[in-house]
Amino acid sequence: GQNIDQPTEMTATEGAIVQINCTYQTSGFNGLFWYQQHAGEAPTFLSYNVLDGLEEKGRFSSFLSRSKGYSYLLLKELQMKDSASYLCAVRALRSYNTDKLIFGTGTRLQVFP
Amino acid sequence: DTAVSQTPKYLVTQMGNDKSIKCEQNLGHDTMYWYKQDSKKFLKIMFSYNNKELIINETVPNRFSPKSPDKAHLNLHINSLELGDSAVYFCASSQGPPAYEQYFGPGTRLTVT
Repeated sequence: GQNIDQPTEMTATEGAIVQINCTYQTSGFNGLFWYQQHAGEAPTFLSYNVLDGLEEKGRFSSFLSRSKGYSYLLLKELQMKDSASYLCAVRALRSYNTDKLIFGTGTRLQVFP
Repeated sequence: DTAVSQTPKYLVTQMGNDKSIKCEQNLGHDTMYWYKQDSKKFLKIMFSYNNKELIINETVPNRFSPKSPDKAHLNLHINSLELGDSAVYFCASSQGPPAYEQYFGPGTRLTVT
């Protein structure tokens, strides 16, 4: 089966660091994405991990451990505009032409002053 | 210079009606998708087209019929609308299979009364 788990909600303070975890169980794993979605808007790409380790991109970093079926998104120096939902999505490989993204339910992050 | 556009943005209709949502991308991508995001914000793939060919059909009711007249356009027609069809429908595109970073349109909020 395929299952992706994320916390439903998190809160943090402006300027702080927050870590959003994602655990997954899926067959044909071929990478993991993080997307950001502000309320009423479209999801936008944040990061992609296919190998184990940490990928850093400015204030955002993403980590993957394939053996543990685990990823996290780390947000540093939080800003009010970081208040959004963060979607973990696993790329499930079926065949060369038909891989697809399976999304978790998302983590709603609220940043307070 | 919109990358992925959808029309309409809002759609309110009665049960039993037939409606269409249009999507266009100007990114030169080969692959396009339809996703449904329900009231719990769960984003689930419905269909995927690569160069006008259907490559993913995720057990969506036959009332939903996608059509891709060319690789820049992917439309979604829904027959006999039901209350449970109320959701936000997102179109997305990516450069060639296998799917990598997906660019999402602004979404169409469908409300069936």
